[in-house]
Amino acid sequence: AQSVTQPDIHITVSEGASLELRCNYSYGATPYLFWYVQSPGQGLQLLLKYFSGDTLVQGIKGFEAEFKRSQSSFNLRKPSVHWSDAAEYFCAVGAATGGSYIPTFGRGTSLIVHP
Amino acid sequence: GAVVSQHPSWVICKSGTSVKIECRSLDFQATTMFWYRQFPKQSLMLMATSNEGSKATYEQGVEKDKFLINHASLTLSTLTVTSAHPEDSSFYICSAPGRFDNEQFFGPGTRLTVL
Repeated sequence: AQSVTQPDIHITVSEGASLELRCNYSYGATPYLFWYVQSPGQGLQLLLKYFSGDTLVQGIKGFEAEFKRSQSSFNLRKPSVHWSDAAEYFCAVGAATGGSYIPTFGRGTSLIVHP
Repeated sequence: GAVVSQHPSWVICKSGTSVKIECRSLDFQATTMFWYRQFPKQSLMLMATSNEGSKATYEQGVEKDKFLINHASLTLSTLTVTSAHPEDSSFYICSAPGRFDNEQFFGPGTRLTVL
């Protein structure tokens, strides 16, 4: 069975500082990997995804993530954080199932941004 | 991108009553939809897969008679929480796969509070 570990429950950064959110996955084959962002009381918005090819993936809002098979990791990065980035971030791994995929989510990392 | 809506966005009900939550795909058809439950500060847990024209598939530990799912059309799935109790209070989120199996579009969620 697939699983996702997000080791950091909370991350606090200053506005303008760089950010890295950690994600490790467990899956028997090549995974589909995703990062989602959830603002308070809102649904999930897809930031970026990886299926194959270039291991460095660019997403929306200036985010990027790098797939490292040897480390089973898919860490999310942003060079300069904005106050509006404060939210909950979820890493997910998905396996294609009958024409669609069902993601398994990590527990999430709460990002706090100090002015 | 594709849009998934949920109604209501929040609901407060008395213990023992039933509550219906709607999930609609606004500009695309979805033969499959997924229902998740999210406790505060926790991850999304898949509850069930809603299938148009057939019975829903429930994840282990989810009570079928408690959480009734009906996929009435290619754009609508409903989740009815029957005889709700305070422990059913949660954030319920639905999703629908897009045209390609690596897309999932999430609704904004429904906050259920049972008094």
